[in-house]
This record gives sequence, structure tokens and C-alpha cells, in this order.
Amino acid sequence: NAGVIQTPRHKVTGKGQEATLWCEPISGHSAVFWYRQTIVQGLEFLTYFRNQAPIDDSGMPKERFSAQMPNQSHSTLKIQSTQPQDSAVYLCASSLVGAGNTLYFGEGSRLIVV
Amino acid sequence: GDSVTQTEGLVTLTEGLPVMLNCTYQTIYSNPFLFWYVHYLNESPRLLLKSSTDNKRTEHQGFHATLHKSSSSFHLQKSSAQLSDSALYYCALGNYKYVFGAGTRLKVIA
Repeated sequence: NAGVIQTPRHKVTGKGQEATLWCEPISGHSAVFWYRQTIVQGLEFLTYFRNQAPIDDSGMPKERFSAQMPNQSHSTLKIQSTQPQDSAVYLCASSLVGAGNTLYFGEGSRLIVV
Repeated sequence: GDSVTQTEGLVTLTEGLPVMLNCTYQTIYSNPFLFWYVHYLNESPRLLLKSSTDNKRTEHQGFHATLHKSSSSFHLQKSSAQLSDSALYYCALGNYKYVFGAGTRLKVIA
């Protein structure tokens, strides 16, 4: 079984440019999560989809961040007008639906904004 | 909303000494699920152990933790640290979404 796949693994972008990150969840997992990992904040929740529907995006900086899940096999996280403070590792995770299920993480996308 | 607190950012231990990483949480749910995830360098974070049963010890790969609802705690312990335990450890609360603590970096030295 392939795990959660994230692309690109590394991305360097100039300040003000757009960055799009992709995630392919594990087949059969209907819950998909995006997190941002930084030294200061740890694993910061961004957004959550269940059966492709957005359920909770309370962690998303509203002005420049957006996430979609157009089909069950992939989700995207888009950051417009990137800023240096957006530099982080963005982790996607998937699980079966329901409380207490194990989250399976991808290897992450490291975004560097220069 | 839900929250998880890990008080230590960095724990440095000599090999062979016991490990204890602290985790406390806040939630309105009466039956929360608590998790410990471990993140080794250049790998994906992965589940170490989890529990939703009050006062029951859960063990995996030499680590153990007991959920204490009375004190809202789920501390991670190991009797003897190994060099290979050096990693980032996250405590998480998993109800309908998963809330993580800030993480504790465990560094085991010879």
C-alpha cells in the first residue's frame, strides 16, 4: 500500500508568488488533513476534509490560503502572495472517518519563501 | 476549543536513563482519544501509541503512557532511553479533528 503522497517535496518561491502543494491520500481514507509544521508552533492545524467536503478550515489564514479536494484521490493547498513567514513544512495526513482513527502522514512539502 | 500542552521543548538525556515527556490536554469531550506521534528526521510522523481508556497503560515499542482523565494527562514514558529514540514527539488529541501539541524534541546522548 502506498502511503500519503505529497508533491513537491521542496519548493522555493519568491515573495509575492503563488505556491500550490498537492496531496494524494491513502486509498479508502475519507478524512484528509493539512498541517503546518514549524519549530515555534509545532504541528498547526490548517484544514480538514471529510468525504471531499470541507469540514473545518479554522486554522487557515483566510486572506491568502485556500484548500480544495476536487476528488477522493487528491487535495491541494494553495498559498497566494507568499510571505517569508509562510516558510514551513506542510504536512498532509489521511485517516478513516471517525474519532480515534490513526492519522497517516505524508513526508511533507518544505516551502521556502525568499 | 481543544488544546494540548507539551511543556518541554527539548529534553536531553543520557542513554539508559528513563524518559518522561509531559502532555496535558483540554477538551469538552468526555471520551477523548489521546495519541503520541513520533517524527524521525527525514521520515513522516507516525503513530507511537494511543488510548481512550481511563487509567489503562498502553505500550508500544518500549514506550508506555496512561490516560488519566482526572488530571487530563497522557505522559509518555520509557524505562531506558536509547540513542535511536532521538526524535520529535507530538502529543495529540483526536476527536473529530486532531489537535497537536508543540512537540518535544528528545535528544539521547551516549
